Amino acid sequence: EAGVAQSPRYKIIEKRQSVAFWCNPISGHATLYWYQQILGQGPKLLIQFQNNGVVDDSQLPKDRFSAERLKGVDSTLKIQPAKLEDSAVYLCASSARIGFGGHHNSPLHFGNGTRLTVT
Amino acid sequence: QKEVEQNSGPLSVPEGAIASLNCTYSDRGSQSFFWYRQYSGKSPELIMSIYSNGDKEDGRFTAQLNKASQYVSLLIRDSQPSDSATYLCAVPSGGYQKVTFGTGTKLQVIP
Repeated sequence: EAGVAQSPRYKIIEKRQSVAFWCNPISGHATLYWYQQILGQGPKLLIQFQNNGVVDDSQLPKDRFSAERLKGVDSTLKIQPAKLEDSAVYLCASSARIGFGGHHNSPLHFGNGTRLTVT
Repeated sequence: QKEVEQNSGPLSVPEGAIASLNCTYSDRGSQSFFWYRQYSGKSPELIMSIYSNGDKEDGRFTAQLNKASQYVSLLIRDSQPSDSATYLCAVPSGGYQKVTFGTGTKLQVIP
């Protein structure tokens, strides 16, 4: 099966500019995640979608970050305006099933990520 | 208290030794636990999933889960230099199973 696709792989922008990242999950995966990973830290969940609905965005800086998952398939994450501290790798992941009703969670599968540098 | 905690390391072990990586979590209701390996500059890749108390073995890797102590560990037997990476513990929790990662433990296997 095809993996999680992300683009672009690298992006360099100046502060206060805007940027958008795209993710196409594994076919049939209902749950899609966007993580931010700063060098030397673990991935931090920004937003989690179940189909096309948001189920967690508690750590998304909503004054500058936005995300959507139209039609419950691919997703875009946007930053506007960017700050220096947004320099990080943005990882998209998908999973087949959330563990409701006693079922186990399916593991996450990650894309290659987008490395963002804000100068 | 952090939702998922790991010792950041680095953990250095000689080649051929057993590496032991630990993770604690805060949500007693969590039912699924994942270990990921992340090489420098790469994305996390799944090593093990564990759902029941006890041990689960897959090749040189053994995951151990103790829900009463809210503790999950990963043992790597016969450690190889190619095992040098950061190991991430991930735990879904809450009503919508938000997946939280620990900070990761950096493992260095010395030839």
